Amino acid sequence: AQSVAQPEDQVNVAEGNPLTVKCTYSVSGNPYLFWYVQYPNRGLQFLLKYITGDNLVKGSYGFEAEFNKSQTSFHLKKPSALVSDSALYFCAVRNSGAGSYQLTFGKGTKLSVIP
Amino acid sequence: SQTIHQWPATLVQPVGSPLSLECTVEGTSNPNLYWYRQAAGRGLQLLFYSVGIGQISSEVPQNLSASRPQDRQFILSSKKLLLSDSGFYLCAWRRQSEAFFGQGTRLTVV
Repeated sequence: AQSVAQPEDQVNVAEGNPLTVKCTYSVSGNPYLFWYVQYPNRGLQFLLKYITGDNLVKGSYGFEAEFNKSQTSFHLKKPSALVSDSALYFCAVRNSGAGSYQLTFGKGTKLSVIP
Repeated sequence: SQTIHQWPATLVQPVGSPLSLECTVEGTSNPNLYWYRQAAGRGLQLLFYSVGIGQISSEVPQNLSASRPQDRQFILSSKKLLLSDSGFYLCAWRRQSEAFFGQGTRLTVV
């Protein structure tokens, strides 16, 4: 069975400082990895994905994530946080194999950027 | 372009009443469709997924059911709601590797 762990329920960071939201995963075979953001009472918005290729993936709003196969991690990063980045962030994984349909999400990490 | 519609946005229902949440996708054909529930504002639990008309897979036993009467329509239902059914329900569709979500339905069972 595949799984995603987001070890931090909440991350607080000062505006202008770099931010990291952690994610580790477990999946058989090669993973497809994703980050989504959710604002209050809204659906999830896609930020970025890792499918193959360069381990450093750049996404929307200045976010990036680094795939580390040996550590089975896919941490989300941003060099300089904005107050508007405050939201709930979800990491997700899916097996890359054909016929694999299930996208498994972590429990989410609440990011608060303090002015 | 593809879009996903989910309604209603909010719903307050008494215990024991039926439920029907609808999700439709535009601009694509034969999508993989999903229903997720997010309880207490945290975590996403996969409830059902469908790879085609009439094909439903249930991930967890529960008071809910799903149906896919048309290619781009996915319905979440219950015959009798429980208090524990309260939550935020999200419909999603998947294209290749990416999943796209509807705006969600906030269900409160009272």
